Amino acid sequence: KAGVTQTPRYLIKTRGQQVTLSCSPISGHRSVSWYQQTPGQGLQFLFEYFSETQRNKGNFPGRFSGRQFSNSRSEMNVSTLELGDSALYLCASSFRLANRRNTGELFFGEGSRLTVL
Amino acid sequence: AQSVSQHNHHVILSEAASLELGCNYSYGGTVNLFWYVQYPGQHLQLLLKYFSGDPLVKGIKGFEAEFIKSKFSFNLRKPSVQWSDTAEYFCAVELSGGYNKLIFGAGTRLAVHP
Repeated sequence: KAGVTQTPRYLIKTRGQQVTLSCSPISGHRSVSWYQQTPGQGLQFLFEYFSETQRNKGNFPGRFSGRQFSNSRSEMNVSTLELGDSALYLCASSFRLANRRNTGELFFGEGSRLTVL
Repeated sequence: AQSVSQHNHHVILSEAASLELGCNYSYGGTVNLFWYVQYPGQHLQLLLKYFSGDPLVKGIKGFEAEFIKSKFSFNLRKPSVQWSDTAEYFCAVELSGGYNKLIFGAGTRLAVHP
């Protein structure tokens, strides 16, 4: 069974640009979460989507946004990039039933490493 | 705000030594608890989890963790480590009903020498 796939794996942008990252969850997983990982702040929750709806959001500015498509694939977008947005962005999927808020295990992708110059 | 503290940032052990990694969280309500591991060059993967029931949970590769509610702790243990346990270990907390919003600790880098 294929794991969580994130693209691109590496990218370099300059300040002020925007970036879109993509995540394909494990087949059958309808929940997709996004996390930002930096040396200084560690792993921080960005948002979670289930059935194309954002169910939870972390404490990030509005420049960070996301969406989920009907096939459960998800994208996240960061607009007006700042140097501090340089990070590893991790996507995680999980099998979650509609009437349960969590199932206990997140399956992480290898991440998209963003460098902002 | 809720937080997760991992007491040791770097741990160095010899093979066959025992391991205990500390994890404490700050939240007075019901929580779900996790330990994730990241081996060199690999993605994060679940080591073990606690939702309810027996506070002593067993995970993969001989790891176990004990939830002590009164101490807000969820320490990870392994009686005898191997070189292949070299990795970074993350403790994480999810508030019950938290829609997969995990609050992670800063991580502990474990190096096991043969």
